[in-house]
Amino acid sequence: AQSVTQLGSHVSVSEGALVLLRCNYSSSVPPYLFWYVQYPNQGLQLLLKYTTGATLVKGINGLEAEYKKSETSFHLTKPSAHMSDAAEYFCAVSDTHNQGGKLIFGQGTELSVKP
Amino acid sequence: ETGVTQTPRHLVMGMTNKKSLKCEQHLGHNAMYWYKQSAKKPLELMFVYSLEERVENNSVPSRFSPECPNSSHLFLHLHTLQPEDSALYLCASSQELQGALTEAFFGQGTRLTVV
Repeated sequence: AQSVTQLGSHVSVSEGALVLLRCNYSSSVPPYLFWYVQYPNQGLQLLLKYTTGATLVKGINGLEAEYKKSETSFHLTKPSAHMSDAAEYFCAVSDTHNQGGKLIFGQGTELSVKP
Repeated sequence: ETGVTQTPRHLVMGMTNKKSLKCEQHLGHNAMYWYKQSAKKPLELMFVYSLEERVENNSVPSRFSPECPNSSHLFLHLHTLQPEDSALYLCASSQELQGALTEAFFGQGTRLTVV
């Protein structure tokens, strides 16, 4: 069975500081990996995804995540935090290879950004 | 505008009521999903439909009854719910159930409160 662990249910950074949100997964097959963001009372929005190919994937606004097979990780980074980045972030792995919609989610990490 | 629309956005219902949640996707996708998001818990996949056929039911109580009349619409019929069923219910869709480069697009959710 696949699973996702997000280390730290709450991360707080200062505006302009590096953001690092950790995600580790377990999967018996090559995974598809995703990062989603959720603002209060909203649905989830896809930030970036890894399927195959380049292990460093880039999203908008400087977001990056790197798939490291040896570490079973897919950490999300952003070089400089902005107030508007405050939200909850979810890492997810697809359940069974190629089934992108059947997602297994981590518990979420709430990001706070201090002025 | 995410392409996946859920109504109503908020719903308060008594334990003896019957209500329905509606989801509509305008993306031409073939697979649709219901997820439940409870406080402090990871998102839980409830039901999966592919081409209007239910392909997965993750041990969801029978007081939740899904319906997919066509590939664009998905309903979740609710009856005799319990207070612990209060949660954010998210609908999602993906191009296909299986296939590379597919990912889930989420609606904004229905915030359900059972009193």
